[in-house]
Amino acid sequence: TQLLEQSPQFLSIQEGENLTVYCNSSSVFSSLQWYRQEPGEGPVLLVTVVTGGEVKKLKRLTFQFGDARKDSSLHITAAQPGDTGLYLCAGAANTDKLIFGTGTRLQVFP
Amino acid sequence: ETGVTQSPTHLIKTRGQQVTLRCSSQSGHNTVSWYQQALGQGPQFIFQYYREEENGRGNFPPRFSGLQFPNYSSELNVNALELDDSALYLCASSLEVGGAEQYFGPGTRLTVT
Repeated sequence: TQLLEQSPQFLSIQEGENLTVYCNSSSVFSSLQWYRQEPGEGPVLLVTVVTGGEVKKLKRLTFQFGDARKDSSLHITAAQPGDTGLYLCAGAANTDKLIFGTGTRLQVFP
Repeated sequence: ETGVTQSPTHLIKTRGQQVTLRCSSQSGHNTVSWYQQALGQGPQFIFQYYREEENGRGNFPPRFSGLQFPNYSSELNVNALELDDSALYLCASSLEVGGAEQYFGPGTRLTVT
């Protein structure tokens, strides 16, 4: 069974702080996606990483795919209240399904 | 370009009843996947449809079934509802089968009492 574990589960920080969310698995994925989900809404795709060691930046968000394509991290610089939400990583192992992580709930206080 | 839409937004059903949820895929997308998201958890894959055929299924019982239509819209049917079926049901579309980038609709919140 393929599993993706995220840490931490919950994160509560002040505006301006930096944070990193981790997504780990014992399985290899062909690609990995990061999504952000707000209450009552569906997940919104932030980024896809495909190549081992790949780093992608999206404004204040930096995403990295592990060299072995088993893990990933999301780093947010100078967090803002608008970053509040549930962050989900999802791995694609074959042609049908995405395997989602357990999620990290981020709260950024002004 | 129209995004993924789902209906209804909310639904309340009684244990033992049947429910049908609907999804319209994003324009140009021919593959639709359904996920169940229980409160506080990540989405769990139910099944995927490509060209009107089921193309993969997660660990869900046969009372969860689906359809895809020629216009790529899709339905999720759940029979004999149980209390544990209460969840947010998400539909996601992708450009093609094997396309890992899936775009999600807002979901249908199902409550079973």
